Amino acid sequence: DVKVTQSSRYLVKRTGEKVFLECVQDMDHENMFWYRQDPGLGLRLIYFSYDVKMKEKGDIPEGYSVSREKKERFSLILESASTNQTSMYLCASSTRDGEYEQYFGPGTRLTVT
Amino acid sequence: RKEVEQDPGPFNVPEGATVAFNCTYSNSASQSFFWYRQDCRKEPKLLMSVYSSGNEDGRFTAQLNRASQYISLLIRDSKLSDSATYLCVVNMRRTGNQFYFGTGTSLTVIP
Repeated sequence: DVKVTQSSRYLVKRTGEKVFLECVQDMDHENMFWYRQDPGLGLRLIYFSYDVKMKEKGDIPEGYSVSREKKERFSLILESASTNQTSMYLCASSTRDGEYEQYFGPGTRLTVT
Repeated sequence: RKEVEQDPGPFNVPEGATVAFNCTYSNSASQSFFWYRQDCRKEPKLLMSVYSSGNEDGRFTAQLNRASQYISLLIRDSKLSDSATYLCVVNMRRTGNQFYFGTGTSLTVIP
């Protein structure tokens, strides 16, 4: 059974804290993605990576950074968390050519107070 | 202009009804198409891929119209368990392979 896992299901952090969200996939997928999902706005792409150490900005990269040191792991970093980063964060992976679907992790619901 | 547009609904239908969702995409270079289902507070999961010839999986039928750049999903004999948000997704399969998501269509099947 294919699997994408995320380090936390629920997270509460204070404004200004540095936050790490980890994602691991066991499907040997080349592509990995970080999205946030907010009511009425749908899924918005923050960053994606198509290879180790490669990253590309998505639609809303401001306030975020990413790291991909190993093929199976893709980390999202909030350098200084702010209340407007309270959201559901979803990690996904897919094959390189995009012919097949993305697989999603269970999501991390982050609250910044 | 959004890459993928869907009617957000909500669609409230009785059990046993047939319901159809449409989705339009803006970029004719789009090559892969999908319908995902998302339950409340859960991650999106693939419902079905959409092929040019159309495809069916039990009560679900997906169609692709490349000329008009729209995708449809038909659900027949709706069940209570079909209540969810349905996301339309396209992929242009270029470098980076970004997937573009609609905002989703909410369906509630009523007893």
